[in-house]
Amino acid sequence: GDSVTQMEGPVTLSEEAFLTINCTYTATGYPSLFWYVQYPGEGLQLLLKATKADDKGSNKGFEATYRKETTSFHLEKGSVQVSDSAVYFCALRSISNFGNEKLTFGTGTRLTIIP
Amino acid sequence: KAGVTQTPRYLIKTRGQQVTLSCSPISGHRSVSWYQQTPGQGLQFLFEYFSETQRNKGNFPGRFSGRQFSNSRSEMNVSTLELGDSALYLCASSPTGQGGTEAFFGQGTRLTVV
Repeated sequence: GDSVTQMEGPVTLSEEAFLTINCTYTATGYPSLFWYVQYPGEGLQLLLKATKADDKGSNKGFEATYRKETTSFHLEKGSVQVSDSAVYFCALRSISNFGNEKLTFGTGTRLTIIP
Repeated sequence: KAGVTQTPRYLIKTRGQQVTLSCSPISGHRSVSWYQQTPGQGLQFLFEYFSETQRNKGNFPGRFSGRQFSNSRSEMNVSTLELGDSALYLCASSPTGQGGTEAFFGQGTRLTVV
């Protein structure tokens, strides 16, 4: 079945540091890939997405490129801020053998940015 | 445009009881999905409804059920509650629930079973 493997957390960085959160996936067909962010006490918010190979999703300084050859969708940001502290989830949507679609999530990576 | 609304936000129930959670999707969205979030298992897909029909189902026991109404609002029911059902239950809506369309999440209902 489909699966998403994320970098284990927690991750702690200093403000203005470079961020990479690794995400690899296993899926049949050609899934759409997403990064969601969850702030304390909140639901999930879509951060960025990519729907086909070599697409680059970007938002709020975060970027991720859909790499089909390495089945990866790593999240990067050049200079993190304290306000980026949250839990980040990598997810994919693919079609099952029965033609149904669902989102499959990674386990989440907790990011803490220190001033 | 109003977001996804889940009620109640917090709930405490006793083992063996049943509970009903509600989700109002964004206006015009026809797909509603439910997820269970726990520290140990992460986010797990429960089921998805589209136009009042269950279109997809995760690997949860039959104690977990749901339905969708003609206005796309959805309810999730858990019967014979167990301690392990304590979790944050998240609802997500999207226009079609397919392809690259974004799923918008509510703030969740935190269920505690004692």
